[in-house]
Amino acid sequence: DTEVTQTPKHLVMGMTNKKSLKCEQHMGHRAMYWYKQKAKKPPELMFVYSYEKLSINESVPSRFSPECPNSSLLNLHLHALQPEDSALYLCASSQELGQGNQPQHFGDGTRLSIL
Amino acid sequence: KQEVTQIPAALSVPEGENLVLNCSFTDSAIYNLQWFRQDPGKGLTSLLLIQSSQREQTSGRLNASLDKSSGRSTLYIAASQPGDSATYLCAVRPGSNTGKLIFGQGTTLQVKP
Repeated sequence: DTEVTQTPKHLVMGMTNKKSLKCEQHMGHRAMYWYKQKAKKPPELMFVYSYEKLSINESVPSRFSPECPNSSLLNLHLHALQPEDSALYLCASSQELGQGNQPQHFGDGTRLSIL
Repeated sequence: KQEVTQIPAALSVPEGENLVLNCSFTDSAIYNLQWFRQDPGKGLTSLLLIQSSQREQTSGRLNASLDKSSGRSTLYIAASQPGDSATYLCAVRPGSNTGKLIFGQGTTLQVKP
């Protein structure tokens, strides 16, 4: 069982909808990440949070809005998405950004489909 | 710009074979290299992490090696089993303090009973 929990597992939404993806970890990790993975492609980094502050935004369109309300929780708010945004969205966590010997732990992802 | 390549893209072997998956990267300045497994429709499971100062790591039937100077890593799987069928991804963490991982395209492994 994964120690990073993502909900929902599947989400279908229209282009005008507003929805949120949720990610939770209780390992005491202080770095959290959002990745996007298209079919048969490797994950691509979107955002990195360190100690609840946004550390990296990989030039992600503003229709994706991350939020880290506390050290255990990471949200990704979605609004006015496009069909090409359909993908598997993965959340990951690690102990701290500055520790190069700690692995990132991934959740099972949210499969997002935009109609 | 760091680029990560995995060869082969797909591999099919009979059960019981020992096999090697390859990963190469263009910039030797890395913090670490991580091997992951991904089952269809699932997230990534971390298998092994090799720090830049290490040469290899072992976990059960898995052994990962790192030759930073030549920009190569291998994942050795001993006595393969059908349950090992999955996509294997390697990812390097570049020589910076961002936490960013750069992934290869993956090798999809099928182990036939």
